[in-house]
Amino acid sequence: EIVLTQSPGTLSLSPGERATLSCRASQSVSSSYLAWYQQKPGQAPRLLIYGASSRATGIPDRFSGSGSGTDFTLTISRLEPEDFAVYYCQQYGSSPPHTFGQGTKLEIK
Amino acid sequence: QVQLQESGPGLVKPSETLSLTCTVSGGSISSYYWSWIRQPPGKGLEWIGYIYYSGSTNYNPSLKSRVTISVDTSKNQFSLKLSSVTAADTAVYYCARDRVFGAGYYYYGMDVWGQGTTVTVSS
Repeated sequence: EIVLTQSPGTLSLSPGERATLSCRASQSVSSSYLAWYQQKPGQAPRLLIYGASSRATGIPDRFSGSGSGTDFTLTISRLEPEDFAVYYCQQYGSSPPHTFGQGTKLEIK
Repeated sequence: QVQLQESGPGLVKPSETLSLTCTVSGGSISSYYWSWIRQPPGKGLEWIGYIYYSGSTNYNPSLKSRVTISVDTSKNQFSLKLSSVTAADTAVYYCARDRVFGAGYYYYGMDVWGQGTTVTVSS
């Protein structure tokens, strides 16, 4: 089973700053199979990025994804107030087909 | 646009079977995979399993012995059964559309989610 480890656990930043969130896999993951989600309190997760770098429909271009192999990054170029949330990376693989990282909480400093 | 709605009992007794249904509206259940994911209070996301509209399934090995996912294409619904529940199964349960294509060669993420339903396991 591929384990995804996200860092940091909590990231404290101010609106307007740049956020960099990391997702490290225990084994190599095809970049085609790496996704990122945003979850706000009391809401379902929302797909942000798939294929490591492709933005989902309606996602602002301040969100970008990159990486390959075992190291992937979600970058938010300039934080808006609505971006403060928990972010999860997720990989699609063989057994099990899906695993999630433990999440990074992005909080207002 | 496609919307998903989970339904089922919010309270289940220990050792009993948890049963939830996800209704797909605004689109067809055909040609997609459909996943169940859960989130214990204050914790992260755990994938439970998915089903293809044709009925083929794949489950998280950690839950496989207790999980059954089925589909009813005539009703545009898919369902989750989790047997022998304990307090550890208390969670918000989500259903989601899972964009797996080409026999797993292409993956485009879980793009549509239900709002989630809270299930508490307690006597």
